[in-house]
Amino acid sequence: DSGVTQTPKHLITATGQRVTLRCSPRSGDLSVYWYQQSLDQGLQFLIQYYNGEERAKGNILERFSAQQFPDLHSELNLSSLELGDSALYFCASSVMSTRGNTIYFGEGSWLTVV
Amino acid sequence: SQQGEEDPQALSIQEGENATMNCSYKTSINNLQWYRQNSGRGLVHLILIRSNEREKHSGRLRVTLDTSKKSSSLLITASRAADTASYFCATEPTGANSKLTFGKGITLSVRP
Repeated sequence: DSGVTQTPKHLITATGQRVTLRCSPRSGDLSVYWYQQSLDQGLQFLIQYYNGEERAKGNILERFSAQQFPDLHSELNLSSLELGDSALYFCASSVMSTRGNTIYFGEGSWLTVV
Repeated sequence: SQQGEEDPQALSIQEGENATMNCSYKTSINNLQWYRQNSGRGLVHLILIRSNEREKHSGRLRVTLDTSKKSSSLLITASRAADTASYFCATEPTGANSKLTFGKGITLSVRP
């Protein structure tokens, strides 16, 4: 158990809908990362927050947004969902923002768009 | 785009044999890390090697780093069926606010 908690574990939704994925980082970790894993794209970095502020942005679509709250939990919002958004979405956390990070992954949220 | 690229894409060995997996990357890095993922599960950190280190050990794992060739290898000795998983290398490029970037992974199958 990494200490990173993600909910929901599985989600099935229709195209055009909006979903919110939630992440609770490990106790004491200030950085939260979101990754998307799909068969064709592999593991893609989406976005990183550090202590409530956006720190780095990766291949995150404009239809997606995220935030980190004062209690350090984070949410990833996916809107206008398309079939291609079906993937495993991981949250990860680390103590530091950069430099020699070990990041700890949650078990992921499986999103299926039908 | 992927920073690290693992080789081979898939590896199948017999229990007890050693497994060697390679990773190449393109830019200067602060460190390189290896992660393991069991099917459908989260990634688990295995080992981190800094850019000024050449070799590191952790249990049955040995990692080497050659910054001149921009490559790393992960050796798992005396493999077990339970080592069956996907293995990813991840690189942390130099530069402010650099993000950890993962390769596409190597699928390791260890036959009992």
